[in-house]
Amino acid sequence: DTAVSQTPKYLVTQMGNDKSIKCEQNLGHDTMYWYKQDSKKFLKIMFSYNNKELIINETVPNRFSPKSPDKAHLNLHINSLELGDSAVYFCASGDDLRGSSGEQFFGPGTRLTVL
Amino acid sequence: DAKTTQPNSMESNEEEPVHLPCNHSTISGTDYIHWYRQLPSQGPEYVIHGLTSNVNNRMASLAIAEDRKSSTLILHRATLRDAAVYYCILRASSGNTGKLIFGQGTTLQVKP
Repeated sequence: DTAVSQTPKYLVTQMGNDKSIKCEQNLGHDTMYWYKQDSKKFLKIMFSYNNKELIINETVPNRFSPKSPDKAHLNLHINSLELGDSAVYFCASGDDLRGSSGEQFFGPGTRLTVL
Repeated sequence: DAKTTQPNSMESNEEEPVHLPCNHSTISGTDYIHWYRQLPSQGPEYVIHGLTSNVNNRMASLAIAEDRKSSTLILHRATLRDAAVYYCILRASSGNTGKLIFGQGTTLQVKP
């Protein structure tokens, strides 16, 4: 069973469209994250939800709206897509917000290409 | 957030040990040292973490300097599958949002 899954794996769309990426984790974790990896392979946190509540929003444009219907799901909706949104988006989950805890588990990524 | 510095790239021969260094001179007393790696076309995966003492697990060992200003990830016998980008990350033990702050990492190339 996949611990953190994302759909779709690839997403190609036109500028101006609205799209969603879904993420599910079956690890029973309380916290889920979205990270963005740009073309230079730089990985950066975007959002984090803990028990369905937003705890991190790293100055992401409000065209990006995360939604957490329950603890196991964190979806990412993007409005009015722009060329600069092209990137790989990773979902992750973890069971503790403290550094003393162990790992975050990452999904396989969604490669978004905006034409 | 305290910053880490790693070499951009390293090379190793297959089945030899690899020592990946990380400097974190501004580390605070409550920061844990975490290592993740990202294999090609995959999401990052956790490798190991520690606070003060050296740590071992099935994947690697983590050697932490006595003053904690640097650490070394040790892969005891590199395989081709270990070719990846390795990230050294500091996480506070409390008051943390859980986010991981990735630097540029070290790209490890393993030669057969």
